[in-house]
Amino acid sequence: NAGVMQNPRHLVRRRGQEARLRCSPMKGHSHVYWYRQLPEEGLKFMVYLQKENIIDESGMPKERFSAEFPKEGPSILRIQQVVRGDSAAYFCASSLLGSDTEAFFGQGTRLTVV
Amino acid sequence: SQQGEEDPQALSIQEGENATMNCSYKTSINNLQWYRQNSGRGLVHLILIRSNEREKHSGRLRVTLDTSKKSSSLLITASRAADTASYFCATDRETSGSRLTFGEGTQLTVNP
Repeated sequence: NAGVMQNPRHLVRRRGQEARLRCSPMKGHSHVYWYRQLPEEGLKFMVYLQKENIIDESGMPKERFSAEFPKEGPSILRIQQVVRGDSAAYFCASSLLGSDTEAFFGQGTRLTVV
Repeated sequence: SQQGEEDPQALSIQEGENATMNCSYKTSINNLQWYRQNSGRGLVHLILIRSNEREKHSGRLRVTLDTSKKSSSLLITASRAADTASYFCATDRETSGSRLTFGEGTQLTVNP
C-alpha cells in the first residue's frame, strides 16, 4: 500500500508561469489536505477536499491559487502567475475518515520561483 | 501566540539520553498528533492522542496530554543519532473541520 504520492518532488518556475502540483492519496482515502511550509517554519493549512468537493479553502489565497480533487485521478494544486513569495514546500496529506483520524503526508513538492 | 506551540525551539542531547518536547495550544481539540520531519523531507506520523486520552506509548515514544492545561509532551527515551529531526505537534480543533494546526516545531539534535 503506497503512501501519499506527490509529484514532482522539485519544481522550478519563472515568475508569471503556472505551477501544477499533484497528489495521489493513500489507497482508500478520500480526504485530502494541502499545506504550505516556508523555510524554518511549521506547516500552514491551505485547503481541504473530498472527492469532487472543496470542504474548506480558508487557508488558500483567493487570487491565483486553486485546488481540485476529481472523481478520478490525483488532487491538483494550481498556482497561476507565480511570484517569488510562492517559493515553499507544498505538502499533501490524506486521511481515511477526515475528522479525528491520522493524516498521512507525502514527501512534498518544493517549488522554487526564479 | 499560536495554536500548537512547541518548546523548546531547539534541543541538543547526547545519544542515550531522553528528549522531552512540549506543545501548548489554545482551543478545545479532538486530538493532537505528533510528527517528525527530517531535513528537507516529508512528515512522518508518530502518534495521535485523543482528547479523552492522557497517555500513549509507541516503542521509545511516550506522549501525554493534559487538556486542563492545554498541553502535550513527547518523550523519546534512549535517543539515537537517527532521531535527529524536527518534531511538530498538530492539533485537530473541534471547530476546524478536521484540518490540522501546526506549531513551529522543535529541532532535536542527538549527538553520537
